[in-house]
Amino acid sequence: EIVLTQSPGTLSLSPGERATLSCRASQSVSSNYLAWYQQKPGQAPRLLIYGAVSRATGIPDRFSGSGSGTDFTLTISRLEPEDFAVYYCQQYGRSPITFGQGTRLEIK
Amino acid sequence: QVQLVQSGAEVRKPGASVKVSCKASGYSFASYHMHWVRQAPGQGLEWMGIFNPNGGDTIYAQKFQGRVTMTRDTSTSTVYMDLSSLRSEDTAVYYCARGDYDDYTLLDYWGQGTLVTVSS
Repeated sequence: EIVLTQSPGTLSLSPGERATLSCRASQSVSSNYLAWYQQKPGQAPRLLIYGAVSRATGIPDRFSGSGSGTDFTLTISRLEPEDFAVYYCQQYGRSPITFGQGTRLEIK
Repeated sequence: QVQLVQSGAEVRKPGASVKVSCKASGYSFASYHMHWVRQAPGQGLEWMGIFNPNGGDTIYAQKFQGRVTMTRDTSTSTVYMDLSSLRSEDTAVYYCARGDYDDYTLLDYWGQGTLVTVSS
C-alpha cells in the first residue's frame, strides 16, 4: 500500500501568515490522485483539494495545492481564524485508499 | 443538497457486532459509491472499504476482510456497515462518505460520524 507521510506534525502560525503543509508518498501517486481534507474538532473531514491542484466546490482561493509524483503541498496563503484545524492528505489512485497521519495547524 | 445522516452512538461488549446506518438524500443513491472510514480517538483516518449501491459490489480493506459487511436498502437510500467480533481497538468514530461521480475513490461528502465504543 502507499504510505503517506505528512510534515510537520504540528504547525504554529498566526492569522494572516502563510501555511505550507507537506505530504510525501512512498510510491508515485497515479494520475496525481491526491486530495486534501480539513477536519475541525467534533466534525467530519471536508474535501478541500482533489487531483493535487483542484479546489473543491466552495473552497476559498486562499487554499491551493501543488505537486506531483511523490511530493505534494497544501498552501494556505493568508490564514483566517477558521483555518486552524487538522489537515489530512489522501491518495485515491490505488487500492487501498490511504491517508497521511495529519498536520495540526494551531494558533501561535 | 447532498446529506448523509448516520445512526446514533453505540456501545458494545467485546466479541459482539455493530451495524451502523447511513441514509443518503439529495442525489441519485444508486449512482454513487459509498465508503466507510473510521477514526480512533485522537488518531487519523483509516479506510475500511467501498460499496457500490448499484449491484452491491464491495471492496474491503484487507485488515477488515472477514469482519466487515456492507449492504444497502435501496427503498430507503440507506447503506449499512456491519462490523463483527468487536474488540477494544475498534472503538472509533465511523464515517460514511460518498465517492465522487467521476472518481469514485475520491470522498466528496461525509456523514456526521457514529461513535462506536467497545467496552466490557
